[in-house]
Amino acid sequence: NAGVTQTPKFRILKIGQSMTLQCTQDMNHNYMYWYRQDPGMGLKLIYYSVGAGITDKGEVPNGYNVSRSTTEDFPLRLELAAPSQTSVYFCASRTSGGTYEQYFGPGTRLTVT
Amino acid sequence: EDQVTQSPEALRLQEGESSSLNCSYTVSGLRGLFWYRQDPGKGPEFLFTLYSAGEEKEKERLKATLTKKESFLHITAPKPEDSATYLCAVHNRGAGGTSYGKLTFGQGTILTVHP
Repeated sequence: NAGVTQTPKFRILKIGQSMTLQCTQDMNHNYMYWYRQDPGMGLKLIYYSVGAGITDKGEVPNGYNVSRSTTEDFPLRLELAAPSQTSVYFCASRTSGGTYEQYFGPGTRLTVT
Repeated sequence: EDQVTQSPEALRLQEGESSSLNCSYTVSGLRGLFWYRQDPGKGPEFLFTLYSAGEEKEKERLKATLTKKESFLHITAPKPEDSATYLCAVHNRGAGGTSYGKLTFGQGTILTVHP
């Protein structure tokens, strides 16, 4: 199992550009999450999904959109990138029920200039 | 609103010098408290889940404990390879049990172990 994979690893965007961060998991997990991590601030939840076709906002959703058409994939879309979106983005997944621990991908480091 | 505060922000130890990291939390209904390890440039790696006050879990040189207000991560005789950022997170039970597993994270403790 590859676990949770994310692409790209690094990206530099200009203000106003758009991009999609990809996240795929091969563990057949129903629950998937997107977080951003800023220095000294901990991880903040952007969006989450409880299964294909079902998504909801987290703590900091403004400027982002998600979709979940399959169990495996949970892409995060940035529209009209702003410097405030410079951060490291992590995708995570977990199984339904059980012990609730989430498994994280390696992250995407995004810089908006 | 759930809150998680970790202390200290940074901790420097000599190899073999045991110590503890603290995670204080405020949550209306705790379903679980999680400890993660994060190496530079990588995603968080799951270490432990604690569910109720008095529970303890161990893994190699790490032991996690839980009370009703805080959790400790005890590091016994640390080695340089234990250097990392340690993150604490809580899972709120949510109204009617519908929290969907959302976690609230602390800001982390950066541990450096010198040889």
